[in-house]
Amino acid sequence: DGGITQSPKYLFRKEGQNVTLSCEQNLNHDAMYWYRQDPGQGLRLIYYSQIVNDFQKGDIAEGYSVSREKKESFPLTVTSAQKNPTAFYLCASSPRGLEQFFGPGTRLTVL
Amino acid sequence: GESVGLHLPTLSVQEGDNSIINCAYSNSASDYFIWYKQESGKGPQFIIDIRSNMDKRQGQRVTVLLNKTVKHLSLQIAATQPGDSAVYFCAETTNNAGNMLTFGGGTRLMVKP
Repeated sequence: DGGITQSPKYLFRKEGQNVTLSCEQNLNHDAMYWYRQDPGQGLRLIYYSQIVNDFQKGDIAEGYSVSREKKESFPLTVTSAQKNPTAFYLCASSPRGLEQFFGPGTRLTVL
Repeated sequence: GESVGLHLPTLSVQEGDNSIINCAYSNSASDYFIWYKQESGKGPQFIIDIRSNMDKRQGQRVTVLLNKTVKHLSLQIAATQPGDSAVYFCAETTNNAGNMLTFGGGTRLMVKP
């Protein structure tokens, strides 16, 4: 099956820990994105990558880091510098010039 | 800055009625618009899109209307069903923005049986 997968579905983090959220796509899309969604809110862009080995900061990149070593993978690390990381994280991918396709999301909770 | 927004945060409709969800955008250069549906705890799903050279596009039970004069986008859902209950987002982009989408804040549609 073609699509975007995110893992884990639920993730718990202790304060001061770094955690990494996985995003994989087998759609052969060039562009990939990470969004944060807080309860009852819209999507805010964290990082995006238009091509392998290149990525750009979005609107709320502070406290997050990414890598794009492979076309199909775009992991997001939530660092201890992110003071309020509890949220729903969405990954998306897109072929050039068309709509974005979203994964099922990862819900991160800080204990 | 440029933004995309929604008029109503929550819309409640009776099952079987038609629903209309509205979206205002401020970037006059926007040329591609998308409606997404997001069910609770899931990622957004593409519903329908429209380019700026059109003013209406129809899908299965859904219609998107674009009024470029007043920079307004709407999603019409015919014969609304309980499964239509979700949050609906509009998103827009421009030719020179690549794949970058600007999302609205979302409207929650609640369908009463």
